[in-house]
Amino acid sequence: DTGVSQNPRHKITKRGQNVTFRCDPISEHNRLYWYRQTLGQGPEFLTYFQNEAQLEKSRLLSDRFSAERPKGSFSTLEIQRTEQGDSAMYLCASSLAGQGSGTDTQYFGPGTRLTVL
Amino acid sequence: DAKTTQPNSMESNEEEPVHLPCNHSTISGTDYIHWYRQLPSQGPEYVIHGLTSNVNNRMASLAIAEDRKSSTLILHRATLRDAAVYYCILRDRNNDMRFGAGTRLTVKP
Repeated sequence: DTGVSQNPRHKITKRGQNVTFRCDPISEHNRLYWYRQTLGQGPEFLTYFQNEAQLEKSRLLSDRFSAERPKGSFSTLEIQRTEQGDSAMYLCASSLAGQGSGTDTQYFGPGTRLTVL
Repeated sequence: DAKTTQPNSMESNEEEPVHLPCNHSTISGTDYIHWYRQLPSQGPEYVIHGLTSNVNNRMASLAIAEDRKSSTLILHRATLRDAAVYYCILRDRNNDMRFGAGTRLTVKP
């Protein structure tokens, strides 16, 4: 399967703990996106990378959140000192995009469901 | 950010056409109109996109109003597997994609 993969699929943690999620994009895709989705809502954009460069961060991405894409391939999203409000599905997507096209198709992974107790 | 407005929910009968509307009155000249759908317990998947002209692909058709202030996603023959939340999204040159709440489509057998 050459789709976007995310690990773990489910994570249960206690408030105050740190968690890290991993996303493996489709090979050769230069863009990687992170979204958060709560029940009944559409995905909310968090951040995206063009290769290894983080080009935009939403104001939703507080200083407890950090994302990396060290070699322009896989990406990690870390949440420090988790809060109950962080409970959500965290989605990753990748695409092959040129500059300023607005037409690239994003391929989404299955998501990581985080539950903070 | 350009905004879209969609009905919260719609129902359709199996094997009948479905027309899912989207209003985007503040669309700019360079915004592309994208549609994604999200099946239960899955990540969103691409359906179709367009700029000015109507578009067809194997999944659906996209009809874009002449003034581009609205569009309609057309599923020609709905199946039970088409039951999903459908999102209409405007994308600018920066490639940002902002989802709304979407339209939950129920398909009745």
